[in-house]
Amino acid sequence: EIVLTQSPVTLSLSPGERATLSCRASQSVSSYLAWYQQKPGQAPRLLIYDASNRATGIPARLSGSGSGTDFTLTISSLEPEDFGVYYCQQRGNWPLTFGGGTKVEIK
Amino acid sequence: EVQLVESGGGLVQPGGSLRLSCVASGFTFNNYAMSWVRQAPGKGLEWVSVIRRSGGGTYYADSVRGRFTISRDDSKNTVYLQMNSLRAEDTALYYCTKTKYGGNWDDYFDYWGQGTLVTVSS
Repeated sequence: EIVLTQSPVTLSLSPGERATLSCRASQSVSSYLAWYQQKPGQAPRLLIYDASNRATGIPARLSGSGSGTDFTLTISSLEPEDFGVYYCQQRGNWPLTFGGGTKVEIK
Repeated sequence: EVQLVESGGGLVQPGGSLRLSCVASGFTFNNYAMSWVRQAPGKGLEWVSVIRRSGGGTYYADSVRGRFTISRDDSKNTVYLQMNSLRAEDTALYYCTKTKYGGNWDDYFDYWGQGTLVTVSS
């Protein structure tokens, strides 16, 4: 099973700041990685798929990069709606797995 | 508009059974694999099971294989999760999800329901 390790666990930032979230896989998943955002009391929402493709309706300030074992989600300038917990997920190897999450909170 | 509406959760004793249902709308249901993902209280996400389109195959996480069964009724746009021999560690919010690409077990989840809570406790 591929283990996805997300860092940092918590990121405290102010609106307007740049956020950089990391997801590291225990073995290569090629580019088969997605990012989700979850806000309290809500279901997760797909943000990025196949490492760098934005899902429908996702603003350009969010971008994904990486391949193999190291991936990054970047939010260029944080907006109030960007706060929440972010999860990565791989589909490169059986079984499908998620990372433990990074909480982006208001500083 | 894609909608996924789960039902069937509740409180059950260890060793008991529950059947979850998810009614889908807003897309061509029989073109997509459907999956269940769960989230224990205060914890992260765990993929549980997927059923390919046209009932072409089912897959399970090791933690539920042999106890859970996923099925679908394309005439009703509904996917089910039959959960038997429930354990305390199965306590979670169970989300029904639509797969993005639709064809196979290995996919992302582009739409999620609001979840149905399963609590296993005596």
